[in-house]
Amino acid sequence: DAGVTQSPTHLIKTRGQQVTLRCSPKSGHDTVSWYQQALGQGPQFIFQYYEEEERQRGNFPDRFSGHQFPNYSSELNVNALLLGDSALYLCASIGGSYEQYFGPGTRLTVT
Amino acid sequence: AQKITQTQPGMFVQEKEAVTLDCTYDTSDQSYGLFWYKQPSSGEMIFLIYQGSYDEQNATEGRYSLNFQKARKSANLVISASQLGDSAMYFCAMRESDSNYQLIWGAGTKLIIKP
Repeated sequence: DAGVTQSPTHLIKTRGQQVTLRCSPKSGHDTVSWYQQALGQGPQFIFQYYEEEERQRGNFPDRFSGHQFPNYSSELNVNALLLGDSALYLCASIGGSYEQYFGPGTRLTVT
Repeated sequence: AQKITQTQPGMFVQEKEAVTLDCTYDTSDQSYGLFWYKQPSSGEMIFLIYQGSYDEQNATEGRYSLNFQKARKSANLVISASQLGDSAMYFCAMRESDSNYQLIWGAGTKLIIKP
């Protein structure tokens, strides 16, 4: 049983560019949450997708958007990148119970 | 006010000793859940243990146990017989209510196990 997968592992972008990060949840899980973790801090909730719709959103600007596909995989898009967007982006896969399983993360560096 | 407070930025513990990582939380909801995760240097968040607010027994998972003191709003993680592989960042997180899906995280505690 494959766990949560995320791609790419690392990414370097320039200010003003756009980026797309991808996440595939665990088999049988239909909900995906995205978190941003700046260096030395705890993760911050970006949003959650369920049944292909954004169910809840954290305190992030509209530059952060997402999508969930019929197979439950998800994308996180960030437009007009800022230096402050440099962080580890974590995807969490959620099934019917309380447990949230995380992927290995995508480390985004904005220069 | 901070919803999740982890007061220990870093801890050094001798191998094979038990260690307690502190976590206090703040919520007005009656139904909530508390989580502990381990984050090695690789970055992946590894789920350790969960405690529901209505659970009467303290949660245990192998060498991990959660010392849940509801009146004090405390949810400390206890690791028994620490191992070198336990060296990592440890995060306490909370999910407030059944209709709020986000996890709110503490700042973490860096645990280093000494041989």
